[in-house]
Amino acid sequence: DQQVKQNSPSLSVQEGRISILNCDYTNSMFDYFLWYKKYPAEGPTFLISISSIKDKNEDGRFTVFLNKSAKHLSLHIVPSQPGDSAVYFCAASFSGGSNYKLTFGKGTLLTVNP
Amino acid sequence: KAGVTQTPRYLIKTRGQQVTLSCSPISGHRSVSWYQQTPGQGLQFLFEYFSETQRNKGNFPGRFSGRQFSNSRSEMNVSTLELGDSALYLCASGQGGSYNEQFFGPGTRLTVL
Repeated sequence: DQQVKQNSPSLSVQEGRISILNCDYTNSMFDYFLWYKKYPAEGPTFLISISSIKDKNEDGRFTVFLNKSAKHLSLHIVPSQPGDSAVYFCAASFSGGSNYKLTFGKGTLLTVNP
Repeated sequence: KAGVTQTPRYLIKTRGQQVTLSCSPISGHRSVSWYQQTPGQGLQFLFEYFSETQRNKGNFPGRFSGRQFSNSRSEMNVSTLELGDSALYLCASGQGGSYNEQFFGPGTRLTVL
């Protein structure tokens, strides 16, 4: 039962354009969401997060949008740069009980073409 | 601050052997989590430790175990290795609260022959 889904295995965009990566979740208990970027042979690097009390969080070129009613979040990268080419993982957690784990999607490979 | 370090970076073992992986968290972080990454399954949660106590465990068999020391360093052990255990094992550290980010190490690539 996959609780966090990234339905697009890959995405290709031109340098300077917007990249939009999507993520859906099924567990309504999730109230904290994160995006990580991963290069080959390295561990995931934290990018940006959002709690369920917000619908938008922005950090430089990266903006995450959360639509709780649709159980959907997206990561916007503007403008996209070739160095952004990596696998992007969406992750979720909830604050209740003794849950301290992150549940990850399977990732989306972003390729930014010069 | 130094990041999360994991040793060894690469490991080759044969079926039936056991292996121990090590993780040193970011200074000041008391929570250490372990994840297994495989091409088909993505990142799967193994377990999380905080102040030497296991707080959460994922759906992995008992062959997978871990521990945390008083200095927050953690080890993960896999006994009776199987071919399917070949994966990238990632360690992440954090403050340990519900809304805290986890910061990952580079991982240990385990190959079981």
